[in-house]
Amino acid sequence: QKEVEQNSGPLSVPEGAIASLNCTYSDRVSQSFFWYRQYSGKSPELIMSIYSNGDKEDGRFTAQLNKASQYVSLLIRDSQPSDSATYLCAALGFNKFYFGSGTKLNVKP
Amino acid sequence: EAGVTQSPTHLIKTRGQQATLRCSPISGHTSVYWYQQALGLGLQFLLWYDEGEERNRGNFPPRFSGRQFPNYSSELNVNALELEDSALYLCASSLRWGSGNTIYFGEGSWLTVV
Repeated sequence: QKEVEQNSGPLSVPEGAIASLNCTYSDRVSQSFFWYRQYSGKSPELIMSIYSNGDKEDGRFTAQLNKASQYVSLLIRDSQPSDSATYLCAALGFNKFYFGSGTKLNVKP
Repeated sequence: EAGVTQSPTHLIKTRGQQATLRCSPISGHTSVYWYQQALGLGLQFLLWYDEGEERNRGNFPPRFSGRQFPNYSSELNVNALELEDSALYLCASSLRWGSGNTIYFGEGSWLTVV
């Protein structure tokens, strides 16, 4: 099992809907998790981090961490076409950051 | 506050040549990370420097090397360039390991090997 795994997608949602992105992780990573957004040809930008079990909200974004099931999710409410990008899940390991391969999100107008 | 800065933005080299990419971390950050991202693919970890020392290295051949300077800036050197080295090279920085390790990326350097 890879340290961080994501479904590559693409995930297509209509404008205004909730987009749900998921990530699972292995025992080889710690309890620090991050979501990055990457537009095509651009560098990843941090959306939010989450360290504790439960939900963390920031504007239209909510990160959820479930340590028992070893998954992290990102919910995007009121999805906009500008949210169309690849979303990377990352986790802190012993001596490096692990990135998932990313989930491509398409928000259709 | 300035973010992570990388140079050059674009670089075109011939197979067999050497490429040098440079990175300046966010002020106060002492850790610098290098990633390679080939077109359409995920991030591949290259190198991590912290406090001037190489802390970890990804699964890349020795012709990928780098260093970190006393001011915490870093450079990545790629020797004997091969066509498959063409990629976006991303530098990221964070506070010293163990003290809030959110990493922030620069805009990247596009390397094209012809």
